[in-house]
Amino acid sequence: EVRLVESGGGLVHPGGSLRLSCAASGFTVSTSYLSWVRQAPGKGLEWVSVIYRGGNTNYADSVKGRFTVSRDNSKNTLYLQMTSLRAEDTAVYYCARDFAGYCGPSNCYVGAFDIWGQGTLVSVSS
Amino acid sequence: EIVLTQSPGTLSLSPGERATLSCRASQSVTNNFLAWYAQIPGQAPRLLIYAASIRATGIPDRFSGSGSGTAFTLTIGRLEPEDFAVYYCQHYGTSPITFGQGTRLEIK
Repeated sequence: EVRLVESGGGLVHPGGSLRLSCAASGFTVSTSYLSWVRQAPGKGLEWVSVIYRGGNTNYADSVKGRFTVSRDNSKNTLYLQMTSLRAEDTAVYYCARDFAGYCGPSNCYVGAFDIWGQGTLVSVSS
Repeated sequence: EIVLTQSPGTLSLSPGERATLSCRASQSVTNNFLAWYAQIPGQAPRLLIYAASIRATGIPDRFSGSGSGTAFTLTIGRLEPEDFAVYYCQHYGTSPITFGQGTRLEIK
């Protein structure tokens, strides 16, 4: 079964750090495009970051310089390292497999998401 | 950045009725790279449609997508109880990807 399972969410103070994990099964993270998408309480969906098959990454402007996406191929797991957290980062964070992204000669593009994890809640509050 | 505007904000219908949801883009969506998702509260989104009109694997044929350029529509032919959810459109293929604000489909 193709599946994604997130973990690592919790309550953190403003300015703090947290690392989210997303364990994949049924497919290989090293040959996939994977994104993080978040959803603030009662709000819509916001794309956060992507790691492409080749290992290059991209981020939403709202998290650039604070969040880092990575993967461990041996563990078939995706990560999101979050630093300098703010109240507005409070959200459920989903990892999602991108089946429609692609890389052209000079740039890569995020696609659509066919597999989603169940989400993990990050709360930033003092 | 492409802004997606969904309408209506809330749609109240009864099981068995037909639902029509709209998604309008602030500029033309490249190659009609437009997806639709359904989200039941407390659950992750589920992909319904991609490339504007292609049903994702396992999605029943009562769901159909149409449109091109800046105007897209999701139609649900005959509503089943499990279809009452929040629906989001998303464009892709250009950066950054964005989602619409959602349409809540509720039981009348």
